[in-house]
Amino acid sequence: DGGITQSPKYLFRKEGQNVTLSCEQNLNHDAMYWYRQDPGQGLRLIYYSQIVNDFQKGDIAEGYSVSREKKESFPLTVTSAQKNPTAFYLCASQPGQGTDTQYFGPGTRLTVL
Amino acid sequence: AQKVTQAQTEISVVEKEDVTLDCVYETRDTTYYLFWYKQPPSGELVFLIRRNSFDEQNEISGRYSWNFQKSTSSFNFTITASQVVDSAVYFCALRPRGGGYQKVTFGTGTKLQVIP
Repeated sequence: DGGITQSPKYLFRKEGQNVTLSCEQNLNHDAMYWYRQDPGQGLRLIYYSQIVNDFQKGDIAEGYSVSREKKESFPLTVTSAQKNPTAFYLCASQPGQGTDTQYFGPGTRLTVL
Repeated sequence: AQKVTQAQTEISVVEKEDVTLDCVYETRDTTYYLFWYKQPPSGELVFLIRRNSFDEQNEISGRYSWNFQKSTSSFNFTITASQVVDSAVYFCALRPRGGGYQKVTFGTGTKLQVIP
């Protein structure tokens, strides 16, 4: 089955630790995105990548880093520089540019202890 | 700048009632796309519909229908004969039409609770 997978579903982190959230897609989509969702708020864009080996900062990139070494994978690292990392993180992919729709993974809920 | 407003934070209805979720948007772009997504308690956003700005024809899909009115910058979503499985947070979103990367702006969501 084609789709977007995110792991883990729940993640707990101690303050000062870096953690990496996984996002994999087997839809052969070119573009991938990371969003952050906080209670009662819409989705805010962290990073996006339109093509392998290229990515751009979104609206709230500070304290986060990404890589795009393979078309299928777009991992997100939440660094210790992120002041308030507890949130729900959603990964999305899109076939290409233009008219295409973004499709989302199941999300990872990160809690900082 | 783009903006999407979903003024209804939470709505509760009794099963089988009809319910309309409001979405009002602001954009300076002449061509754009509007979307609705459903986020059930599991968390994944599920794509429901994409509407092109120059296509104002209303759309119906089963119990779901969408009313797009460009004159009032609204893209409302109606669920007919609601069911418990409709309980979720619903997001409206807007994206300019064009080549290259185009930012998607999401509303803050409307939480729908359908009571059995």
